[in-house]
Amino acid sequence: DAGVTQSPTHLIKTRGQQVTLRCSPKSGHDTVSWYQQALGQGPQFIFQYYEEEERQRGNFPDRFSGHQFPNYSSELNVNALLLGDSALYLCASSREWRGSSTEAFFGQGTRLTVV
Amino acid sequence: GQSLEQPSEVTAVEGAIVQINCTYQTSGFYGLSWYQQHDGGAPTFLSYNALDGLEETGRFSSFLSRSDSYGYLLLQELQMKDSASYFCASESGNTPLVFGKGTRLSVIA
Repeated sequence: DAGVTQSPTHLIKTRGQQVTLRCSPKSGHDTVSWYQQALGQGPQFIFQYYEEEERQRGNFPDRFSGHQFPNYSSELNVNALLLGDSALYLCASSREWRGSSTEAFFGQGTRLTVV
Repeated sequence: GQSLEQPSEVTAVEGAIVQINCTYQTSGFYGLSWYQQHDGGAPTFLSYNALDGLEETGRFSSFLSRSDSYGYLLLQELQMKDSASYFCASESGNTPLVFGKGTRLSVIA
């Protein structure tokens, strides 16, 4: 079992550019959540996808958008990058979230640096 | 809103016991999870409490008091490899997981 895989592992972009990050969930998982983790902080919830639809969204601007494909993999897109978007972006997969404990498995993350 | 408070840093001696506390303010609260994250690594799930009381998993135990909006993670027989950041995270009907800022545990010889 490959677990949750994310690509790329590291990325450097210029302010104003757009970026796409990718995530393949753990086998058997159908729900993908994205988190942003600034240095020394806890992960901040961006949004969650289930059945190819955005089901929950955190307090992030519309510049952050996503997609889930029929094979449950997911993309996170960020437009008009700002310096403050520099962070570790984590993808977490789980079985369908039903409001009870579903252990979330995290990928190693994509380290995005905006210069 | 939702928020969780936990100490920013804790230092403990190898072989000792350490407790990391977490208080939360979460509407529609379902339960409290704990995650471990080594530098440069992914958060990994440690435990989950939905009901009051203690859950034990090997050297790690987690406790929850819903009436006090409080929980803790207890690590026993500390090892050097336990040096990492530990996050409590609340689960609710509004957002699947909301994380605290993390507690950096340093285990010293």
